[in-house]
Amino acid sequence: NAGVTQTPKFRVLKTGQSMTLLCAQDMNHEYMYWYRQDPGMGLRLIHYSVGEGTTAKGEVPDGYNVSRLKKQNFLLGLESAAPSQTSVYFCASTKSRTPLGYTFGSGTRLTVV
Amino acid sequence: TQLLEQSPQFLSIQEGENLTVYCNSSSVFSSLQWYRQEPGEGPVLLVTVVTGGEVKKLKRLTFQFGDARKDSSLHITAAQPGDTGLYLCAGGSAGGTSYGKLTFGQGTILTVHP
Repeated sequence: NAGVTQTPKFRVLKTGQSMTLLCAQDMNHEYMYWYRQDPGMGLRLIHYSVGEGTTAKGEVPDGYNVSRLKKQNFLLGLESAAPSQTSVYFCASTKSRTPLGYTFGSGTRLTVV
Repeated sequence: TQLLEQSPQFLSIQEGENLTVYCNSSSVFSSLQWYRQEPGEGPVLLVTVVTGGEVKKLKRLTFQFGDARKDSSLHITAAQPGDTGLYLCAGGSAGGTSYGKLTFGQGTILTVHP
């Protein structure tokens, strides 16, 4: 059972470039989330989805877009990367809206130069 | 906006010592979770507590949810080098618009020296 798989694991972008981070889960979870993790700031919610075809903004959505065309996949896009988006990005999923625990992917370390 | 304050931010101890990590908020949460994260990996769920005053034990780890469901603590007895990692608390709220979202504390970096 793979759980939550994130690709790529590492990426270096130049300022202004675009990219898409892919998150795939095989647990049939309805709810999926994208977080960014920065030193001393914990995990901050970027966008989330409560089911196929739905997306919503989290705490820090600016500069990011998301799509959930299939239940198992949640894509995070950076339209025009900025150095402030240098971070570690985590995808997570859970079965229901009752917050009993997330399954996280192993993360994508993104550096924008 | 719900906030979770986690303390201490850093903890460096010797093998065999005991330690406690605290997670505090002015908000009430319907559940409180603790995660452990190792370098290069995502957080892994250790425990979820949902009832005020609840205490759960996981081997040498003891988790407690405050009576008012605004705070929690993680106590490790006789720490071992394998306990080294980043510990995160996270609070969840029930209700129609919560959608399973969690509020995370800033984390506690624990280093246990042999």
